[in-house]
Amino acid sequence: KQEVTQIPAALSVPEGENLVLNCSFTDSAIYNLQWFRQDPGKGLTSLLLIQSSQREQTSGRLNASLDKSSGRSTLYIAASQPGDSATYLCAPNSGYSTLTFGKGTMLLVSP
Amino acid sequence: DTGVSQNPRHKITKRGQNVTFRCDPISEHNRLYWYRQTLGQGPEFLTYFQNEAQLEKSRLLSDRFSAERPKGSFSTLEIQRTEQGDSAMYLCAIPNAGTLIYNEQFFGPGTRLTVL
Repeated sequence: KQEVTQIPAALSVPEGENLVLNCSFTDSAIYNLQWFRQDPGKGLTSLLLIQSSQREQTSGRLNASLDKSSGRSTLYIAASQPGDSATYLCAPNSGYSTLTFGKGTMLLVSP
Repeated sequence: DTGVSQNPRHKITKRGQNVTFRCDPISEHNRLYWYRQTLGQGPEFLTYFQNEAQLEKSRLLSDRFSAERPKGSFSTLEIQRTEQGDSAMYLCAIPNAGTLIYNEQFFGPGTRLTVL
């Protein structure tokens, strides 16, 4: 059974900082891994999908890396902004049907 | 816009009542997923449809829960005899039909259920 851990659970930074969110998973037999953003009381917004054959994927100020063999992914956010404040969730995809989620990292970027 | 709408957005009910939620993909998708998210946790898989067929159910889906997708388009999730532990956000997701990306999922806004 896939288990996903996200560290840190919460993070508070001043605007402009670069930051790294960590995700680890126990079953390395994955097809891909998605990073999501969730604002309070809202649904999930897909940020990036990184394929198992890829090492990195970039979208704007976001960069996701994947080390499948060690069961780790990181989400790098450059030049953080108050609008980045949200909970960030990672979800490896181990099969056709389901994603397995971590508990997320709650990010607060202060002006 | 993720291409998925969910209704109602919020539902408050008393313990013991039945509730039904609906998920409507804007366009046709052969697959549709339901997840549940409790406070402070990540979403957990409930069930998954391939067209009309319900192919997988989580152990979280007790016999009080039933899901349908009668025409392979919209889906409903019904909870009978609700309990306070059913209070959660119920999320519907569809795959990205526009690319070959394996099982990339896009989520609707969710239905927040509160059982009093």
